[in-house]
Amino acid sequence: ETGVTQSPTHLIKTRGQQVTLRCSSQSGHNTVSWYQQALGQGPQFIFQYYREEENGRGNFPPRFSGLQFPNYSSELNVNALELDDSALYLCASSYLAGGKGEQYFGPGTRLTVT
Amino acid sequence: SQQGEEDPQALSIQEGENATMNCSYKTSINNLQWYRQNSGRGLVHLILIRSNEREKHSGRLRVTLDTSKKSSSLLITASRAADTASYFCATDGRGGGADGLTFGKGTHLIIQP
Repeated sequence: ETGVTQSPTHLIKTRGQQVTLRCSSQSGHNTVSWYQQALGQGPQFIFQYYREEENGRGNFPPRFSGLQFPNYSSELNVNALELDDSALYLCASSYLAGGKGEQYFGPGTRLTVT
Repeated sequence: SQQGEEDPQALSIQEGENATMNCSYKTSINNLQWYRQNSGRGLVHLILIRSNEREKHSGRLRVTLDTSKKSSSLLITASRAADTASYFCATDGRGGGADGLTFGKGTHLIIQP
C-alpha cells in the first residue's frame, strides 16, 4: 500500500452533473498526476500539478480541471458529466519535478455516470 | 491514446511456472516501468528500467529492454497465486514537459493453483 489516499471510493452521478474527486499525496511528494482508466483499458494521463500549478495535460477537454493545495493534496473536477466519463480515476504522486520516474498510485475512485 | 501494447492480452499458467509478458512502444523514452493492478484497484510500481539499461532484476522479476526494437519483457519466475493481476508497461517520454506516463492495455495474468 502507498501513502496516497483518494476519496470517495465510489460515486454515482447523473449526466450533466459536476463531480469533485480528492487525493492526498504521499508525504514528501510535490507532484500529483491524475489518470482515467476505462474498463479493460490502461490508465490515460489527464493532467499533472507541480507546486500548485498545472504543468502538463493529456488529451482531455477543459471540463476536466484540477487544483493542488499548499499541502500538495489535489482535486479533480469534472463538469457536464457524460456517460463516457464512467471510469476509475487514479491519482499518483511522485517526488521528482515533472513527475518523472516511479509513481505512487492511490486506490482510485470509481465514478459511474448514469 | 495508448502508446504501449502488451502481449499477450491474457495469460493463464500453473503455479510454479514462469510467466512472460511483452510490451511494445512507439516513441523514444527516458525509462520504461512495469506496474501491477489487482481487481481494478490502484497500481503498484514493480520495476523501472532506464533507456540505457538492457536488463534489470528485482526478486522474482526480470525486465529486459530493447530500445532498437522498442520493446520490453517482464518475466515472473516461480509464479504464485498472489501474482494473479493485470500487468501494465508504462513509458516516460523524452519530452521536456510533464506529459505523464503512457500505459498499454495490460496483460491479465491468472495463476492456477
